[in-house]
Amino acid sequence: NAGVTQTPKFRVLKTGQSMTLLCAQDMNHEYMYWYRQDPGMGLRLIHYSVGEGTTAKGEVPDGYNVSRLKKQNFLLGLESAAPSQTSVYFCATAGSGANVLTFGAGSRLTVL
Amino acid sequence: GIQVEQSPPDLILQEGANSTLRCNFSDSVNNLQWFHQNPWGQLINLFYIPSGTKQNGRLSATTVATERYSLLYISSSQTTDSGVYFCAVDQTGANNLFFGTGTRLTVIP
Repeated sequence: NAGVTQTPKFRVLKTGQSMTLLCAQDMNHEYMYWYRQDPGMGLRLIHYSVGEGTTAKGEVPDGYNVSRLKKQNFLLGLESAAPSQTSVYFCATAGSGANVLTFGAGSRLTVL
Repeated sequence: GIQVEQSPPDLILQEGANSTLRCNFSDSVNNLQWFHQNPWGQLINLFYIPSGTKQNGRLSATTVATERYSLLYISSSQTTDSGVYFCAVDQTGANNLFFGTGTRLTVIP
């Protein structure tokens, strides 16, 4: 039982390159979230999903796209990476009634 | 949007001491959670506590929703308690948590 798994854990990109972060969960949770964490700050919500096939914008969605084609996977895409997107990205999940968030270990992205 | 303020921003304790961390929020919420981020970056949920009081071992939390604040108590602190403690709240009902900037706790032996 892996819980919430994020891949990759580390990535370095050049400005303008694209990439996808994968979040996979084996807890059968309905809700999935992508957050970013910058130094000295709390987490900020990028996008979220309340179920398979649904996505919605969070607090800081610009420059990111997401997809939830399967219930267990939530993908975060950067189409044209910018240095401002250098951050640590966290995926989280929650069951429909539990309200408690379970986080992945994080993915550190550096854009040069 | 909602404002979440945590205090103090930094706290240094001797092992064995007790502490109280505070979270103030600017509007009514239907979800409030406390998290601990350890020095390796892992985030662990401590409490789901939109109102009332809960206890888990040496940790306890109280939320007074009508006065828009929550308190996290750590008793007999240990070095493993070090890290950043975040308060997060949600108004939407979709668990879209809005995080405070955290309290960084350092426990020294």
